[in-house]
Amino acid sequence: AQSVTQLDSQVPVFEEAPVELRCNYSSSVSVYLFWYVQYPNQGLQLLLKYLSGSTLVKGINGFEAEFNKSQTSFHLRKPSVHISDTAEYFCAVSDKANDYKLSFGAGTTVTVRA
Amino acid sequence: DGGITQSPKYLFRKEGQNVTLSCEQNLNHDAMYWYRQDPGQGLRLIYYSQIVNDFQKGDIAEGYSVSREKKESFPLTVTSAQKNPTAFYLCASSISVGSYNEQFFGPGTRLTVL
Repeated sequence: AQSVTQLDSQVPVFEEAPVELRCNYSSSVSVYLFWYVQYPNQGLQLLLKYLSGSTLVKGINGFEAEFNKSQTSFHLRKPSVHISDTAEYFCAVSDKANDYKLSFGAGTTVTVRA
Repeated sequence: DGGITQSPKYLFRKEGQNVTLSCEQNLNHDAMYWYRQDPGQGLRLIYYSQIVNDFQKGDIAEGYSVSREKKESFPLTVTSAQKNPTAFYLCASSISVGSYNEQFFGPGTRLTVL
């Protein structure tokens, strides 16, 4: 089964500073990669996805992520965060071996302070 | 507006009682999913359904049951056999299971067992 590791459980960051959230997954021939955001007591919203093609993926709210096949990573970045980016972020992976079901990481809580 | 609705938002149950969580979608999606979310553990798949009148167990199906009598609806029953049912439950849907698998999530139901 696919496993997903989010290396940081908590990331505190000051407003207007950059942030990077790290995600690594177990190796597979071909994977699809996703980042979701969850605001308190809400469902998940898709930030961005990598299906194929360019390894740099741009998403909503100024987020971007880079797929690195050799390092099996899909790190999420934002150059300048806002207070409203305070949320929990989940990395997820799907592949054919797992019938394309999503496997989620444990999540990273980002807290943006003024 | 197209989307996924879950009800109720908050649910309290006494030990030994069964309870049913509602999930409805009007996205015309074939596939629907139920996840359980616990702090620090990400999302774990309980059950999923690829088509009406068909469903499969996920990673943590014990103590849960589902039905899929209509395309739009995928209710989850938390039975008294579920030993630790207090959690946040999320329903999701996708066009299908297979290939890339962008899932859309409902707002969630928070179940508390008293």
